[in-house]
Amino acid sequence: DTAVSQTPKYLVTQMGNDKSIKCEQNLGHDTMYWYKQDSKKFLKIMFSYNNKELIINETVPNRFSPKSPDKAHLNLHINSLELGDSAVYFCASSPWTSRTYEQYFGPGTRLTVT
Amino acid sequence: GDSVTQMEGPVTLSEEAFLTINCTYTATGYPSLFWYVQYPGEGLQLLLKATKADDKGSNKGFEATYRKETTSFHLEKGSVQVSDSAVYFCALSDRDSGGSNYKLTFGKGTLLTVNP
Repeated sequence: DTAVSQTPKYLVTQMGNDKSIKCEQNLGHDTMYWYKQDSKKFLKIMFSYNNKELIINETVPNRFSPKSPDKAHLNLHINSLELGDSAVYFCASSPWTSRTYEQYFGPGTRLTVT
Repeated sequence: GDSVTQMEGPVTLSEEAFLTINCTYTATGYPSLFWYVQYPGEGLQLLLKATKADDKGSNKGFEATYRKETTSFHLEKGSVQVSDSAVYFCALSDRDSGGSNYKLTFGKGTLLTVNP
């Protein structure tokens, strides 16, 4: 009965490679998010989708491309990986984009670029 | 833009001690305020929230009151347990720069370690 799941949990790859992280939520939520957590635990939003439509796109290199095939899925594809991309990436969802709704987070994907 | 400032950690306490983690914010609109907790190796979980001034959020013995006059949302617990050891994040939800949607802005997190 996992609410927000991500795969893989760990991802180790070399610079220059392309990789994807998948996220699925079974909560019936309309809005999904990607966050990046750096080595100092600082969390910053990257993207948000509402009903498969991109609604928030923070200043993120265009090597990062989110894709939402349906409301329950939001995948993150990263091209030409760099050392600075090493971080933990969290997917989250909420019922709607609203001031009052909390977000539900996945367990995270630890990406290590060597 | 919006920002959240919370006290630097790490914070180390003995079991049954009183906990306060300070959090202040700046926001362009009227935000909702949240505390999230991250246990080692896990994602974030909502601990409590408050959506308007003077609201008190509470859960698992933790409390925080939305103080608009001081733009603060300090987290407190009267008696911490070893199992409370985690990273605590203060966050606010406010409109993004485009004005149409809402996003969470997080503080930098405070690591709490509780010793038996």
